[in-house]
Amino acid sequence: EPEVTQTPSHQVTQMGQEVILRCVPISNHLYFYWYRQILGQKVEFLVSFYNNEISEKSEIFDDQFSVERPDGSNFTLKIRSTKLEDSAMYFCASSAQGSTEAFFGQGTRLTVV
Amino acid sequence: SQQGEEDPQALSIQEGENATMNCSYKTSINNLQWYRQNSGRGLVHLILIRSNEREKHSGRLRVTLDTSKKSSSLLITASRAADTASYFCATDDSSNTGKLIFGQGTTLQVKP
Repeated sequence: EPEVTQTPSHQVTQMGQEVILRCVPISNHLYFYWYRQILGQKVEFLVSFYNNEISEKSEIFDDQFSVERPDGSNFTLKIRSTKLEDSAMYFCASSAQGSTEAFFGQGTRLTVV
Repeated sequence: SQQGEEDPQALSIQEGENATMNCSYKTSINNLQWYRQNSGRGLVHLILIRSNEREKHSGRLRVTLDTSKKSSSLLITASRAADTASYFCATDDSSNTGKLIFGQGTTLQVKP
């Protein structure tokens, strides 16, 4: 069964460092998303991406964040200069259309020290 | 309350019993989805119900949607210990960008 895959599963980084979280969405999907979940809190929307551009972003998604689809399969989230409060589980998701089921990856646990 | 609020926050039942979780939301939606999350793991899609549907079944899952009350319920029948997880409802915001708004979730414990 097709699935969304994310790498790495766990990343530890020093405050101020750049991190890139990687995702391979389901191959025939057209909509891609990043969400985050701070420990013990609810899942929060970060950004949606369609047709090679951001279609919507939340207030969390400030200038420190960027997304890219560098080739036909990968979808990446970059955090330029990590802060302690960026520590969270980051989930990538994809959907065939904007109003259909979204399928999530297993997440990348980012720990900023 | 915020979009996609679930209640109860925590539910503990015996194996074999039914579990009912509720979700309320505030704005117009195209659809509502339910997800399961095992501790520290990813989100598993359970079921999607569209705004023009009132009830949907999938195996032991039954979801209802009442758009007049802006609420949904997830019923898990004949629960099993493996159903122990957190359950989240998520609504889109009818913008068709696919953005989902999640609730705080219900933590379900099924005791063997």
